Amino acid sequence: DTEVTQTPKHLVMGMTNKKSLKCEQHMGHRAMYWYKQKAKKPPELMFVYSYEKLSINESVPSRFSPECPNSSLLNLHLHALQPEDSALYLCASSFGTHNEQFFGPGTRLTVL
Amino acid sequence: SQQGEEDPQALSIQEGENATMNCSYKTSINNLQWYRQNSGRGLVHLILIRSNEREKHSGRLRVTLDTSKKSSSLLITASRAADTASYFCATDAPGANSKLTFGKGITLSVRP
Repeated sequence: DTEVTQTPKHLVMGMTNKKSLKCEQHMGHRAMYWYKQKAKKPPELMFVYSYEKLSINESVPSRFSPECPNSSLLNLHLHALQPEDSALYLCASSFGTHNEQFFGPGTRLTVL
Repeated sequence: SQQGEEDPQALSIQEGENATMNCSYKTSINNLQWYRQNSGRGLVHLILIRSNEREKHSGRLRVTLDTSKKSSSLLITASRAADTASYFCATDAPGANSKLTFGKGITLSVRP
């Protein structure tokens, strides 16, 4: 299995909702990432997990809460989001933090 | 600060022609990577070139790296309509907690 899967593909939520994005890989990668991407912009790194431990948090607001339950799974818990948080959320994984990254197809999030 | 800066920002060519995209960066790197993104989808890793390498090939792709000028180029030969996408260079800096920093991207359109 050489892919990163993300669910859901699309998500519409209100500002008071709580939702979670899920990411899964079975390539034995030990680094996993969350990125946020706005239209016509490059991906912006949010979080990096290395060996299931949070190693980088790019000063992301606390309304985004990452979780790495095991080496294959990565979640992003969302609560009290703002309309400006609407974006494509990409998950990626790599063997190590200096290797090529494999990206999932993304979750298109719309906050109303 | 943005590490990688690609140019041109947009490129339109005829099928069969070659496409050359350039990337400049500012600080020392561990490696430089090129990714492709089709509209609204996840990124696909194309090629990684390490700081001690000068040129690398993969199929129709040729990447060069000039660390003295802090620049890289991606050449796609014999372009196809399916090569239409956004292309990003990304730099990986030395250090345990390094992260991949993406350039703004180049939009390539290949006309059939």
